[in-house]
Amino acid sequence: SQKIEQNSEALNIQEGKTATLTCNYTNYSPAYLQWYRQDPGRGPVFLLLIRENEKEKRKERLKVTFDTTLKQSLFHITASQPADSATYLCALKGGKLIFGQGTELSVKP
Amino acid sequence: DVKVTQSSRYLVKRTGEKVFLECVQDMDHENMFWYRQDPGLGLRLIYFSYDVKMKEKGDIPEGYSVSREKKERFSLILESASTNQTSMYLCASSLLAENTEAFFGQGTRLTVV
Repeated sequence: SQKIEQNSEALNIQEGKTATLTCNYTNYSPAYLQWYRQDPGRGPVFLLLIRENEKEKRKERLKVTFDTTLKQSLFHITASQPADSATYLCALKGGKLIFGQGTELSVKP
Repeated sequence: DVKVTQSSRYLVKRTGEKVFLECVQDMDHENMFWYRQDPGLGLRLIYFSYDVKMKEKGDIPEGYSVSREKKERFSLILESASTNQTSMYLCASSLLAENTEAFFGQGTRLTVV
């Protein structure tokens, strides 16, 4: 069955550094991959979508890459801030919409 | 402002009760989804629907059913609530196309005692 895995449950970094989160998928050939942010006690909020033929996509301090050969997406937050602390989820949509388990990012001042 | 609204923020129900969780969206979206979220397990898809009266099983449909009588409303039903159904339930909606994002409700924290 289709499966999405994110690299770790928690990532702690210092303010100003770049956070890199990993998303791997199996048994699927998606045309698009999505990233969401979720704050405690709230529903996820969409951040970025990348197409299979796009190597990289940027939005302000966010950058997403998509490698269909490795079946992997990387999500980067540059110049991270404490306000970036949240759980980040990757998702694939093809009929149903399935999510990875999320990576909890904590940015310390 | 687009909106997905879940009927309750918090619910406490007794074991064996029939529980209805309601979700309404105002964006004329074809797709609607129900997930549960538990620590360490992420968002797991229970059921989804791509049209009125249509439903598809997700990854964990056991113990649940759904109803979609109108395009804007998608209900999740726990026929006989059990303690292992204590969880955060999230509803989402989206357009059909694969390159469109989902919008989520605020979630319902259900406790079954």
